[in-house]
Amino acid sequence: KAGVTQTPRYLIKTRGQQVTLSCSPISGHRSVSWYQQTPGQGLQFLFEYFSETQRNKGNFPGRFSGRQFSNSRSEMNVSTLELGDSALYLCASSFRLGSTEAFFGQGTRLTVV
Amino acid sequence: GQQLNQSPQSMFIQEGEDVSMNCTSSSIFNTWLWYKQDPGEGPVLLIALYKAGELTSNGRLTAQFGITRKDSFLNISASIPSDVGIYFCAGLRGGGADGLTFGKGTHLIIQP
Repeated sequence: KAGVTQTPRYLIKTRGQQVTLSCSPISGHRSVSWYQQTPGQGLQFLFEYFSETQRNKGNFPGRFSGRQFSNSRSEMNVSTLELGDSALYLCASSFRLGSTEAFFGQGTRLTVV
Repeated sequence: GQQLNQSPQSMFIQEGEDVSMNCTSSSIFNTWLWYKQDPGEGPVLLIALYKAGELTSNGRLTAQFGITRKDSFLNISASIPSDVGIYFCAGLRGGGADGLTFGKGTHLIIQP
């Protein structure tokens, strides 16, 4: 069965712009979580969506938002990009909310210049 | 946010050697997980631990959930070249409201 698909794989944006990243979970999985990975801070939890609702949220500013559609696909949006937003953004899908059996996608590498 | 203290940061070993790495935390976790990440890929779940004191194996990998619920270790026996990568520990509190809390990773390098 197909794994977690994230698009695009690479993205370059300018400071102040906004960006939307997409994640298609494994078929049948209803939970999608987003993580930011940087060399300095490591992997940090952004938020989790389940049944089209944000259920859990990490400690990130309001510029980071997301949504989930009825087919469980999720998008993450970052507005007013800052240089420090350059990172690998990973999404993970799981069958249940808060499940540890989470499968990660390959990530979207965002570079802000 | 809080992170787990993972050590060592990197390891240089010879093929065939055993490897040991660990994670500690100042707070309790209900689940401990170990992931491996290869360059250009997302983390892959290796082992999940759900009970304090639990010892679980997955092939040449063995991990334990510390009895205090504040630590975990991962051992790799008889390392092979494909073991190269970055290993992350992760903890999950009850309900998962904070998502997974990750360590900063152990970079495993195998010398020829």
